Amino acid sequence: AQTVTQSQPEMSVQEAETVTLSCTYDTSENNYYLFWYKQPPSRQMILVIRQEAYKQQNATENRFSVNFQKAAKSFSLKISDSQLGDTAMYFCAFRGDDKIIFGKGTRLHILP
Amino acid sequence: DARVTQTPRHKVTEMGQEVTMRCQPILGHNTVFWYRQTMMQGLELLAYFRNRAPLDDSGMPKDRFSAEMPDATLATLKIQPSEPRDSAVYFCASGWRGGLAGGELFFGEGSRLTVL
Repeated sequence: AQTVTQSQPEMSVQEAETVTLSCTYDTSENNYYLFWYKQPPSRQMILVIRQEAYKQQNATENRFSVNFQKAAKSFSLKISDSQLGDTAMYFCAFRGDDKIIFGKGTRLHILP
Repeated sequence: DARVTQTPRHKVTEMGQEVTMRCQPILGHNTVFWYRQTMMQGLELLAYFRNRAPLDDSGMPKDRFSAEMPDATLATLKIQPSEPRDSAVYFCASGWRGGLAGGELFFGEGSRLTVL
């Protein structure tokens, strides 16, 4: 069975700093997708970034980028120039054949 | 603006009562998921459907929970009888799965259930 592990329950960084959130996963599948979702206090789940396992190039979306290490089954999220609006719960997610499995999340606080 | 619609947004009920949560997925999506979010367990997958067929509901307590898709525009999650431990936020999400589609999920705003 697939598992997703986020080892940092909570983090705090100063505004404008760079922060990296960790995620590891376990699977025997070769083709899959990985996602980072953001959940602000409004509780809406918002897709931040997506990575296809068959692509070697790391995905980027403006200030958000990932470090995808397929052999190590690692998928970390880097937020550059962090902003107060980045304060949220961040979930790493894995999608194999059909299911999407989420990690338990990292609560990120951006401090003014 | 296409979005997943969930009702009710909030529900307070008493133990033993039946609760039904409804979800309208985004038109054209062929997968629908139900998740439960609690502080202790995070996002738990309860059930999911592909082309309206239930594929996996192993995460759901079978004795009291049931999930159905009577048509392509409606998914329901029912709890009968409800218990205080069912208090949580329930999310519905839909997506497209097929071919090379990435299949990210689009979430509704969630239904916050409180069972007294």
